[in-house]
Amino acid sequence: GAVVSQHPSRVICKSGTSVKIECRSLDFQATTMFWYRQFPKQSLMLMATSNEGSKATYEQGVEKDKFLINHASLTLSTLTVTSAHPEDSSFYICSARRPDSPLHFGNGTRLTVT
Amino acid sequence: AQSVTQPDIHITVSEGASLELRCNYSYGATPYLFWYVQSPGQGLQLLLKYFSGDTLVQGIKGFEAEFKRSQSSFNLRKPSVHWSDAAEYFCAVGGGFGNEKLTFGTGTRLTIIP
Repeated sequence: GAVVSQHPSRVICKSGTSVKIECRSLDFQATTMFWYRQFPKQSLMLMATSNEGSKATYEQGVEKDKFLINHASLTLSTLTVTSAHPEDSSFYICSARRPDSPLHFGNGTRLTVT
Repeated sequence: AQSVTQPDIHITVSEGASLELRCNYSYGATPYLFWYVQSPGQGLQLLLKYFSGDTLVQGIKGFEAEFKRSQSSFNLRKPSVHWSDAAEYFCAVGGGFGNEKLTFGTGTRLTIIP
């Protein structure tokens, strides 16, 4: 069964509003989670590494003030897209680091900004 | 810097035919290599992984991949495809037991014809 749960699976929001996406590890504690973005028909691009209890590490070119990441507990990381614009429309996927095991991925969140 | 190349954007095969998806990587140290499959609108499912040892690795759903260090390749194979194998396939490379951030290839879309 799924070990990483991502919610919501789909969200539509109006331009200028903020959207929060949750990523939960279901049966293990994840000190590190990763957030990826996938454009249509393209590969996954790492946005940031979410570290429990500390600040996230963002990849070059990713606006940290726009994509707020909070990893407040060992089982939950959230990605908030602030002041969303149509160009933020994308598929966002999280993954969680499980000890001694490859990364597990959530099912993704399809964000559409109108 | 690590990178992954999947030279085939789209492959079409007949049901029951054999399949090989190509993957070449660049990595400065011992690579940890993965193949993931993604169905439309879904997250990623791990098919198989290579960390060390036997260079021919078996995965789920009848897939296998062979690590060839001399060619920097990690091609995915299946002797007989099924219609349900139609999906997007991503090769990825990472470090640290594969629990560090992964770099993905651009993916290969597989279409199965009856």
